[in-house]
Amino acid sequence: AQSVTQLDSQVPVFEEAPVELRCNYSSSVSVYLFWYVQYPNQGLQLLLKYLSGSTLVKGINGFEAEFNKSQTSFHLRKPSVHISDTAEYFCAVFNSGGSNYKLTFGKGTLLTVNP
Amino acid sequence: ETGVTQTPRHLVMGMTNKKSLKCEQHLGHNAMYWYKQSAKKPLELMFVYSLEERVENNSVPSRFSPECPNSSHLFLHLHTLQPEDSALYLCASSQWTGGTEAFFGQGTRLTVV
Repeated sequence: AQSVTQLDSQVPVFEEAPVELRCNYSSSVSVYLFWYVQYPNQGLQLLLKYLSGSTLVKGINGFEAEFNKSQTSFHLRKPSVHISDTAEYFCAVFNSGGSNYKLTFGKGTLLTVNP
Repeated sequence: ETGVTQTPRHLVMGMTNKKSLKCEQHLGHNAMYWYKQSAKKPLELMFVYSLEERVENNSVPSRFSPECPNSSHLFLHLHTLQPEDSALYLCASSQWTGGTEAFFGQGTRLTVV
């Protein structure tokens, strides 16, 4: 079975500071990895995804993530955050090797950017 | 505009009421999903439809009844709900069920009183 662990439930940072949101997964086969963002009272919006190829993937709003197979991690980074980045961020994994239709989500990390 | 529209955005219902949530996607996708998002819990997949056929039902109580009349529309019929069913219900769609990215609606905030 696959699982996703987001190590921090809340991350407060100051505006223009760098941020890293951590995500570790467990799966016995190849995976697809995703980061979604949820603004207050909204649905989830895809930030970026890793399907194959380069382990460094760039997404919208200046975010990027690096797939590290040996450490089973897919951490999300941004070099300089804005107030508007305040939101909840979800890491998700899809098992590409089976018939499992599930995107398994982590519990989410609330990023709060303070002035 | 995400291409996935959910109505209503907010719903308050009594435990004896019957109501329905509606989801519509304009993306030409073949798979649609219902998720439940409760506070402090991971998103829970409830139902998956592929080409209008239900392919997964994750042990969801029978008081939740999905319906997919065509590939663009998905409903969640609700009856005799419990207060613990209060949550944000999210609809999503994807091209196929095989790991492609999912597009989410804005959700329906359901409160059961």
